[in-house]
Amino acid sequence: AQKITQTQPGMFVQEKEAVTLDCTYDTSDPSYGLFWYKQPSSGEMIFLIYQGSYDQQNATEGRYSLNFQKARKSANLVISASQLGDSAMYFCAMRGPMDTGRRALTFGSGTRLQVQP
Amino acid sequence: DTAVSQTPKYLVTQMGNDKSIKCEQNLGHDTMYWYKQDSKKFLKIMFSYNNKELIINETVPNRFSPKSPDKAHLNLHINSLELGDSAVYFCASSLIGEEQFFGPGTRLTVL
Repeated sequence: AQKITQTQPGMFVQEKEAVTLDCTYDTSDPSYGLFWYKQPSSGEMIFLIYQGSYDQQNATEGRYSLNFQKARKSANLVISASQLGDSAMYFCAMRGPMDTGRRALTFGSGTRLQVQP
Repeated sequence: DTAVSQTPKYLVTQMGNDKSIKCEQNLGHDTMYWYKQDSKKFLKIMFSYNNKELIINETVPNRFSPKSPDKAHLNLHINSLELGDSAVYFCASSLIGEEQFFGPGTRLTVL
């Protein structure tokens, strides 16, 4: 079974500073995918970044980067130069192997990030 | 253009009623999903479906049933609604291995 753990229920960061949101995972599958989603107070789920288990390099998307440490089974999200609009709930999620029916995402409990001016 | 749409956005109903939530995607994706987000913001898969396979989370009561008239639609039908069904329900879609795109969510309140 897959499991995602986010140990930070809430985080504060000053505007323009960087912040790391922690995510650890557990799976017995050699092939899997890791995702981060943002959920602002308006409620929609916004895809941020993806890391495949066989990807050699850490994923980056603009101000978002994923610090993937396979041996430690961690996939932390780093947001650089925080903006007020980054205040939201952030979810780490995992998908199983692509060649099975287990494409559905398993989510962590989320981290609520508040960016302070 | 809306990628994944859901209707209605809000649904308030009485216990015991039957209701449906509709979902449509115009992305040409091959797989669609229903997730439930509870009051503590925890998201859990309910169903995943493509034209070959329906995967049901075993914890989902059989009062919940997905119905897919075609590849672009996956509706959620709920019988005999209970208070505990109150939640936000998200539809999502994806292609093999790629990120899932979520609809705006339907907030269901059972009175």
